[in-house]
Amino acid sequence: GAVVSQHPSWVICKSGTSVKIECRSLDFQATTMFWYRQFPKQSLMLMATSNEGSKATYEQGVEKDKFLINHASLTLSTLTVTSAHPEDSSFYICSARAASGRAQNIQYFGAGTRLSVL
Amino acid sequence: DAKTTQPNSMESNEEEPVHLPCNHSTISGTDYIHWYRQLPSQGPEYVIHGLTSNVNNRMASLAIAEDRKSSTLILHRATLRDAAVYYCIPLRGSSGSARQLTFGSGTQLTVLP
Repeated sequence: GAVVSQHPSWVICKSGTSVKIECRSLDFQATTMFWYRQFPKQSLMLMATSNEGSKATYEQGVEKDKFLINHASLTLSTLTVTSAHPEDSSFYICSARAASGRAQNIQYFGAGTRLSVL
Repeated sequence: DAKTTQPNSMESNEEEPVHLPCNHSTISGTDYIHWYRQLPSQGPEYVIHGLTSNVNNRMASLAIAEDRKSSTLILHRATLRDAAVYYCIPLRGSSGSARQLTFGSGTQLTVLP
């Protein structure tokens, strides 16, 4: 199946610093990428949807100035958690959907990034 | 979005078949039924999807009720590596749709050796 690479897999940072997470589709072009967040023992919650070359659409309650999303190419999206605080500690997971082809409606997921803010 | 109901948890013995049910009585006529699973500390993984007919792939089979109000994911021979949370997700299938997967609570499958 298609591969989505997410980096880093885990990060520890101090409160007030910013953290960037990268998501790459390695063997397909992704028109649309998604960012999810998952707290312990909970399900995935969609944070935002981004289409290549346009601004991301954020879900209700997600601060767009705090969670900056850039989808500059068909294979790369980044999520920057600005001025991170302990409550931002979570498991962040990206997902990509192919631009064309029979797998168009399948979302492929990265392995996730575990963020711990001290 | 169509609502889904799945059992919170299920157990299976290793090398036996597992039938994971999902009710989606409010599904619309254009929604595909997708199944994903999430292994511990990993991102979700696509398993299978279908619209009306039963579907088979190397991972599993999907049996869809004739009225499409329910479906069953079938793992033919469970292994310890199949222990995961399984999510049943209706998703509009029109090409170019920007619809995204919305995850419910899923079914935690435990496979006993």
